[in-house]
Amino acid sequence: NAGVMQNPRHLVRRRGQEARLRCSPMKGHSHVYWYRQLPEEGLKFMVYLQKENIIDESGMPKERFSAEFPKEGPSILRIQQVVRGDSAAYFCASSPRGKGQETQYFGPGTRLLVL
Amino acid sequence: AQKITQTQPGMFVQEKEAVTLDCTYDTSDPSYGLFWYKQPSSGEMIFLIYQGSYDQQNATEGRYSLNFQKARKSANLVISASQLGDSAMYFCAMSAGKGTYKYIFGTGTRLKVLA
Repeated sequence: NAGVMQNPRHLVRRRGQEARLRCSPMKGHSHVYWYRQLPEEGLKFMVYLQKENIIDESGMPKERFSAEFPKEGPSILRIQQVVRGDSAAYFCASSPRGKGQETQYFGPGTRLLVL
Repeated sequence: AQKITQTQPGMFVQEKEAVTLDCTYDTSDPSYGLFWYKQPSSGEMIFLIYQGSYDQQNATEGRYSLNFQKARKSANLVISASQLGDSAMYFCAMSAGKGTYKYIFGTGTRLKVLA
């Protein structure tokens, strides 16, 4: 009964490189959410996706960040031309129905360090 | 504006004693859900307990209970019989509004259980 899977767990990039973070939701869940946690802060919502659709990306920076959840395969959060300020923990969560106040189950996170 | 406030950056508790972690929230929406998550030093986010705004009774899950005081807009987490493994960061979160899926997180409380 696998939970939400994220990989890699740790990612080191130099400024200007690209970062790709992957998330496989729990079995039976088709709703995926990405959150970012800066050091010593709470998590902040970035984007909500269903299969092949971005439902809400209001928390995503307008530039360099993109997300997808293809019909087959994991959800991908992509950060182009990373900067030091992108260093953070990125969490993916999933839920079965995407309804209001539904419990979201989180993956272990990807810690991104930009040198 | 919707907001979650956790005013205790750090707490200590003796092993086997009970501890209360404070959480206050602000929303004008009558329909909302309140969640508590535990983040141990390994970094994952573990779901603990949920309280719906229309729930008549306080939620309980094993040693965790939620002291929900609607008029005061507080949703404090009570951990009974603390164990060393309870040492972690604890986050309160809210999802407010019918159909809303975004979680708003507090800044967290770091709990240390003393032997």
